[in-house]
Amino acid sequence: EVQLLESGGGLVQPGGSLRLSCAASGFLFSRDSMSWVRQPPGKGLEWVSAISSDGGDPYYAESVKGRFTISRDNSKNTLFLQMNSLGAEDTAVYYCVKCRHSCQRENFQDWGQGTLVTVSS
Amino acid sequence: DIQLTQSPSFLSASVGDRVTITCRASQGISSYLAWYQQKLGKAPKLLIYAASTLQSGVPSRFSGSGSGTEFTLTISSLQPEDFATYYCQQLSSYPFTFGPGTKVDIK
Repeated sequence: EVQLLESGGGLVQPGGSLRLSCAASGFLFSRDSMSWVRQPPGKGLEWVSAISSDGGDPYYAESVKGRFTISRDNSKNTLFLQMNSLGAEDTAVYYCVKCRHSCQRENFQDWGQGTLVTVSS
Repeated sequence: DIQLTQSPSFLSASVGDRVTITCRASQGISSYLAWYQQKLGKAPKLLIYAASTLQSGVPSRFSGSGSGTEFTLTISSLQPEDFATYYCQQLSSYPFTFGPGTKVDIK
């Protein structure tokens, strides 16, 4: 059974930084591309970032480009999202997502339970 | 960027009803469209991918169709556990985009 367990969320001040982690299990982590999706309270889903199986080819939404960095450690089956220069607009539940092999032209097959990031003074 | 619109944004239906949700893309995306179901306080769940392929374990009352710019999600006979919000997503090109969602509520 695929399990994706996010951690690292919490309350951070505007301009601050946070690093999210996603511990993966139940599948061959190094084979599949991964992604982050966020959802502001009471709103819809927004794709944030994706990374290929070997850690190359990161992609970002325009809204986070230059501030967020996605990475992965295949030896530890863990996905990361480093978030810098946070603003109120980044307040959301952040979901770790396993893609079916690639993300592009495939699907977001499995989702974690999400971790809440709140940016507020 | 490819924009997705969904209609309706909200619908009220009864158990047993046939329900259809439409998703339109601002440009052609072939069949690279997925549908997700999200219940309150829970993570989204994949229902349909490649426009019409049912994800393993999803009940057969769910079906998807379409290609290019117009897609539909149909629930043939609405069940109590189907009351939720439904999102479409295009995976044709980055940035991946989601539709705004359709909330299905109990009449």
